[in-house]
Amino acid sequence: GQNIDQPTEMTATEGAIVQINCTYQTSGFNGLFWYQQHAGEAPTFLSYNVLDGLEEKGRFSSFLSRSKGYSYLLLKELQMKDSASYLCAVLESNYQLIWGAGTKLIIKP
Amino acid sequence: DVKVTQSSRYLVKRTGEKVFLECVQDMDHENMFWYRQDPGLGLRLIYFSYDVKMKEKGDIPEGYSVSREKKERFSLILESASTNQTSMYLCASHRGSSYEQYFGPGTRLTVT
Repeated sequence: GQNIDQPTEMTATEGAIVQINCTYQTSGFNGLFWYQQHAGEAPTFLSYNVLDGLEEKGRFSSFLSRSKGYSYLLLKELQMKDSASYLCAVLESNYQLIWGAGTKLIIKP
Repeated sequence: DVKVTQSSRYLVKRTGEKVFLECVQDMDHENMFWYRQDPGLGLRLIYFSYDVKMKEKGDIPEGYSVSREKKERFSLILESASTNQTSMYLCASHRGSSYEQYFGPGTRLTVT
């Protein structure tokens, strides 16, 4: 069956580094997305990984291991504005997106 | 700048009412989607459309219908609203060759 797992909530300190994990079991795989969603707002695109490895984009990096069904989002030099939910989504073989429930990240001063 | 707009940010309706949620995108995207988002659950796909007048059921289509008469507009219809349809409704779109979805701001619907 289809399943995407992420931690429900994480807390980190301003200026620190945090890693948000996502594991998945889906019907085929055509890539994995990370989105950021601030409270009461629309999700916005952060990254897309289709090949194994690490992709870096400024303070944010995303890693994928297809053989392990695993991804993580790494946020460096955390800022208060990074407080948000982070959604992991897998593009299945039928090109439909399956979404995780999201990880709420709380940043403390 | 990419833009997806939804007709209302907040909506309160009574049980049994017919509800229309509208979504408009200005990016000439072929693909449009309606999701609902509930606490503790991932986004769940209600309906999607790959072209004008075309619609496909998602994972939870019961109690909903859709209309896509023009490429830029995708409407979600609750024929007879029920309290279990109280939720955040998100519209999204993407162009055919890219699967990055662009989302509207959402409509928080409360059915009393």
